[in-house]
Amino acid sequence: GAGVSQSPSNKVTEKGKDVELRCDPISGHTALYWYRQRLGQGLEFLIYFQGNSAPDKSGLPSDRFSAERTGESVSTLTIQRTQQEDSAVYLCASIRSGRADTGELFFGEGSRLTVL
Amino acid sequence: AQSVTQPDIHITVSEGASLELRCNYSYGATPYLFWYVQSPGQGLQLLLKYFSGDTLVQGIKGFEAEFKRSQSSFNLRKPSVHWSDAAEYFCAVGRDDKIIFGKGTRLHILP
Repeated sequence: GAGVSQSPSNKVTEKGKDVELRCDPISGHTALYWYRQRLGQGLEFLIYFQGNSAPDKSGLPSDRFSAERTGESVSTLTIQRTQQEDSAVYLCASIRSGRADTGELFFGEGSRLTVL
Repeated sequence: AQSVTQPDIHITVSEGASLELRCNYSYGATPYLFWYVQSPGQGLQLLLKYFSGDTLVQGIKGFEAEFKRSQSSFNLRKPSVHWSDAAEYFCAVGRDDKIIFGKGTRLHILP
């Protein structure tokens, strides 16, 4: 696609429910990143993929968070048993060839998650 | 551990005044360095990047940044700010793997 696409753009859920966030990167971009941005805060690294492999999952806050990627395309971030502190904007970004020196991260519009 | 520090949470400058936003990093080797801007209601946009070579890099919208290895810094500058520069600015570092961001500096412009 022309840009990074994320869905849903907004999600309101009740505490304890599971949510799934989707990211469709730019076609041909081999690396994909997930970040979390809480209100008024910076970007918190969650996980990144090189192809469908996740070399670094150290940013995932707890075992309630998981992510997967199919080939070099769509990725899903799943949050189980959501808590109020999970409320944030979840940003996805992709980069060509998977190396930081290829240039810039292209970000999606984000998925705003509100846990009541 | 890798980290990025932006010591100023908020900065306010008058329109037309000069600007410097600070960024310090901790990394095992010299990383690649980036500045991104997030304008209200918009996504993140790359302002400039440093990989190697000339330590003073030029970016879009009249911004520049200087890499100082001895200080582990990559400060962003602009000689004369415009009201449209009001936004959140993020410094980021990375190399062959993950790219991490600072907590951001919110820039306010006085008319």
